[in-house]
Amino acid sequence: SQKIEQNSEALNIQEGKTATLTCNYTNYSPAYLQWYRQDPGRGPVFLLLIRENEKEKRKERLKVTFDTTLKQSLFHITASQPADSATYLCALLASGGSYIPTFGRGTSLIVHP
Amino acid sequence: DGGITQSPKYLFRKEGQNVTLSCEQNLNHDAMYWYRQDPGQGLRLIYYSQIVNDFQKGDIAEGYSVSREKKESFPLTVTSAQKNPTAFYLCASRPQGWNTEAFFGQGTRLTVV
Repeated sequence: SQKIEQNSEALNIQEGKTATLTCNYTNYSPAYLQWYRQDPGRGPVFLLLIRENEKEKRKERLKVTFDTTLKQSLFHITASQPADSATYLCALLASGGSYIPTFGRGTSLIVHP
Repeated sequence: DGGITQSPKYLFRKEGQNVTLSCEQNLNHDAMYWYRQDPGQGLRLIYYSQIVNDFQKGDIAEGYSVSREKKESFPLTVTSAQKNPTAFYLCASRPQGWNTEAFFGQGTRLTVV
């Protein structure tokens, strides 16, 4: 069955370091992959989209990679700040007309001052 | 301001009662979605709609019903047939197309008492 895996354990890092979050998937051929941020009790907010033929995408302190051979996306936050503390969700979108976002469970990031 | 609004934010229901969650958007988006989020789990798709007067079941549609009579509105009814309705419900909308992001409402937390 299709599965999207994100680390269930929280990632704790020190302010200023680079946070790296992982999204692995199986039995899926996504055409596009998105990353969202979710704060407690709130709806997710879109951050970045990357296509299957793109290796890397950047936006300010954020970087996303997409390796369709490994079936993996990495999400990096450089120079992390306590305000970056949140849950980060990856979403896969398959081609075929609908492009319905399918979400992983998310990874909680805690940045310590 | 343009956006997507869910109401109410908190909802309490007695067992055996139906309850309807509201979702309204003024973004002129064609597609709308309902997701359910439980602690430690990702967003699971309940129903989605690509155009007015049409909607499709998602992965966990049993015990839920929806309507899409207007482009702006996509209400979700949680029926008494839903065995475990206590959860955080998220509504999202999205323009058609592969490279579009989903916009989420603030969510409704439903508790069965």
